[in-house]
Amino acid sequence: AQSVTQLDSHVSVSEGTPVLLRCNYSSSYSPSLFWYVQHPNKGLQLLLKYTSAATLVKGINGFEAEFKKSETSFHLTKPSAHMSDAAEYFCVVSENSGNKLVFGAGTILRVKS
Amino acid sequence: GAGVSQSPSNKVTEKGKDVELRCDPISGHTALYWYRQSLGQGLEFLIYFQGNSAPDKSGLPSDRFSAERTGGSVSTLTIQRTQQEDSAVYLCASSLGAGGPYEQYFGPGTRLTVT
Repeated sequence: AQSVTQLDSHVSVSEGTPVLLRCNYSSSYSPSLFWYVQHPNKGLQLLLKYTSAATLVKGINGFEAEFKKSETSFHLTKPSAHMSDAAEYFCVVSENSGNKLVFGAGTILRVKS
Repeated sequence: GAGVSQSPSNKVTEKGKDVELRCDPISGHTALYWYRQSLGQGLEFLIYFQGNSAPDKSGLPSDRFSAERTGGSVSTLTIQRTQQEDSAVYLCASSLGAGGPYEQYFGPGTRLTVT
């Protein structure tokens, strides 16, 4: 079965500094990987997805993630945090040919002014 | 255009009662998914539909949980004889088709509280 591990439950950064949210996956074959964001009292929104094309994936709002097969990692980064980035972020892997999303435990990002 | 909608947004029920949660997918989306988000278990897959059939029900936690989809559109998740551990946010998602290339679009969820 596929699984993802988000290495930090909470990350705190200052506005304007880089963001790094870490994710490792376990998969028996080439996975499809996603990052979703959930703002307080809002629905889940897709930030970006990797589906075996380019290993560096660019998403919305300046986020990007790099698929590293040798490290089984799919870390999410952003060069400069904004206050509006404060939210919970989920690393997700799909299984059953994409019909079932398996979510990590989530990382809460706090952005300090 | 309209996104995935769910109703009610909040539901408080007494232990032992039955509840029905509704999901209206995005028009034209053939696949529909139910997930549950709870403090102890995080976000878990429950069931998905392709059209009106449910090829994967593996995430339903017990036989008290059931779901149906009619007309390839609206879906209802029913929980019978609710228990306190059923308290969670129930999320619905839909996608253009089933499978990897299609993005799943999530609704705002129904917050269920069992007292």
